Order: sequence, then structure tokens, then C-alpha cells
Amino acid sequence: DVKVTQSSRYLVKRTGEKVFLECVQDMDHENMFWYRQDPGLGLRLIYFSYDVKMKEKGDIPEGYSVSREKKERFSLILESASTNQTSMYLCASSLPTGGEETQYFGPGTRLLVL
Amino acid sequence: GNSVTQMEGPVTLSEEAFLTINCTYTATGYPSLFWYVQYPGEGLQLLLKATKADDKGSNKGFEATYRKETTSFHLEKGSVQVSDSAVYFCALREWGTYKYIFGTGTRLKVLA
Repeated sequence: DVKVTQSSRYLVKRTGEKVFLECVQDMDHENMFWYRQDPGLGLRLIYFSYDVKMKEKGDIPEGYSVSREKKERFSLILESASTNQTSMYLCASSLPTGGEETQYFGPGTRLLVL
Repeated sequence: GNSVTQMEGPVTLSEEAFLTINCTYTATGYPSLFWYVQYPGEGLQLLLKATKADDKGSNKGFEATYRKETTSFHLEKGSVQVSDSAVYFCALREWGTYKYIFGTGTRLKVLA
């Protein structure tokens, strides 16, 4: 059974803190993604990684960075958290372009920045 | 650019009613199309998919047909249950790329 796990289900942080969200997949997928989900806006892509140490900016990368040191792990970093980063964060993985195309999602991390 | 438009919710139905959630898309080439479902407090799960025109995806009584002529991928179910209450997302994977485009989601509430 495929599995994507996220380090926390709920997080509360203060403005200015550095925040780490971690995602691990056990499917040996090359592609990994970070999205944020906000009411009325659907899912918006923050960053994408297609291989270890490789990354591409998505639609809303400002205020975020990512790290992929191992194939199974993809971290999202909020360098200095702000209240407008309060959101649900979803990690996903998939096979590379041309492969089976389904994205598999983790359970999400609900982040509140005070 | 590519986009996905789905009907706004919430949609409220009685148990055993017929469900349609409309989804239309704009895309170049030959995108793959998906419906994902999100139950309360959880991430998204794949419900069904179709990878080429006229394909029908189906799962758990839900169906959707890839209609290239009308650029649509409407979700249907003949008889909904209370357990189907969730948010449904229509999505496409851009042809030849890694990128997925999601609709804004439609909340379905089924009453007993």
C-alpha cells in the first residue's frame, strides 16, 4: 500500500519563526510536490522536485524554500513564518513524466502562524 | 494557460439521490484528467482518472468520461450515500510535464 507521511498534522508557530515541514514517501517516486490549500483557491503548487537535490519553483514560492537530500524525503521550509502562511500544506509524490500519472498525497499539515 | 473550472458548492443531496459535479478544462495537447476526494481532516485520495479522450474512469460507483469535444470531465454517481460527504477536486496533468492543475473543489453534503 502506497504511503506518503507528513511529520505533523497540526502546528502552531509564532511570526518570524523558522518552520520545517517534512514529507516522506515509500514508493521510490522521483517526483515530489508541496502544495498549500486555502478555501476557495484549491491547491496551489509551492515547489516541485524531480530528483535528489533538484527543485523547481511552482506558482507561489515566495517565502518558502525546499530541501531534498534523499529520494524519499522532501522538506518545506518557511524561513520566517508570517500570518499569511497560515494554511493547510499538502505533500504529494508521483512517478516521472511519462510514467503512471497518479499523484499520491499525504494527510496534510495544518499550520497556524500567530 | 491551462486551467480547471468546477462547479461551486456546497452541493447538498439526500441519500440515494443522483450526483453530478461539473468540471471543464482548458489545456493544450493531451492532458490526463483526475477526480480526487478529500474526506474531513485528510489529504486527497485518487477517486478515478482517464488518460485519453472517450476513456471512462470509474470507482466506488462514481464515473466520469473524458470528453475532448466539450473539454469536460463531469463526475456522476447514481445513488449517493452519507459516507460520500467530502470535497471533490477535478484536476489535470499537463501533457508532457510534471505539472498538475486543480480546480477549487466542490463540497458535497449528503443527508440521511
